[in-house]
Amino acid sequence: GQNIDQPTEMTATEGAIVQINCTYQTSGFNGLFWYQQHAGEAPTFLSYNVLDGLEEKGRFSSFLSRSKGYSYLLLKELQMKDSASYLCAVMDSNYQLIWGAGTKLIIKP
Amino acid sequence: DGGITQSPKYLFRKEGQNVTLSCEQNLNHDAMYWYRQDPGQGLRLIYYSQIVNDFQKGDIAEGYSVSREKKESFPLTVTSAQKNPTAFYLCASSALQGAGTDTQYFGPGTRLTVL
Repeated sequence: GQNIDQPTEMTATEGAIVQINCTYQTSGFNGLFWYQQHAGEAPTFLSYNVLDGLEEKGRFSSFLSRSKGYSYLLLKELQMKDSASYLCAVMDSNYQLIWGAGTKLIIKP
Repeated sequence: DGGITQSPKYLFRKEGQNVTLSCEQNLNHDAMYWYRQDPGQGLRLIYYSQIVNDFQKGDIAEGYSVSREKKESFPLTVTSAQKNPTAFYLCASSALQGAGTDTQYFGPGTRLTVL
């Protein structure tokens, strides 16, 4: 079967750095997406990786290793507004998105 | 402003009643999707549509129906056959399904509670 694994919850301190990991086993691979979702709101797109390596976008970076079935989202200079769930999703061989359950990130002052 | 709208934000219905959730987009996107989100689970695909008058079942289509009569609109009906309909429903759209870079953009969601 297809599977996306992420930690359920993480806690970090304002101003620090946090890395959220995602491992996947899917039928084919056509890219990996990260979304941010605040409680009760819609997911918003953060990043897309299809080739191995690091993609940087301001305070957020996303890394992909296709051979290891692994990605991480790196958040720097954490702010209180970064408290949210972070969803990892992989596009499979049928171009369908397979979603992880999300990682709830709690930022403490 | 371009975007996706869903209404209503909160919806309460009695058990046994059908209910229709609306989804409209003005992004000129070809593809539209309906997902269901339950606590502790990933988003699950209910139905998707790539073009007008055509749609396909997702992983959990039983108890749901859709239509795509216009490019901009993709309403979802939750029927009385859906055994556990209380959930957060998310509509999304993307430019063209089948290309790996087609990012899905989401509406604000409808929280349905069946009493």
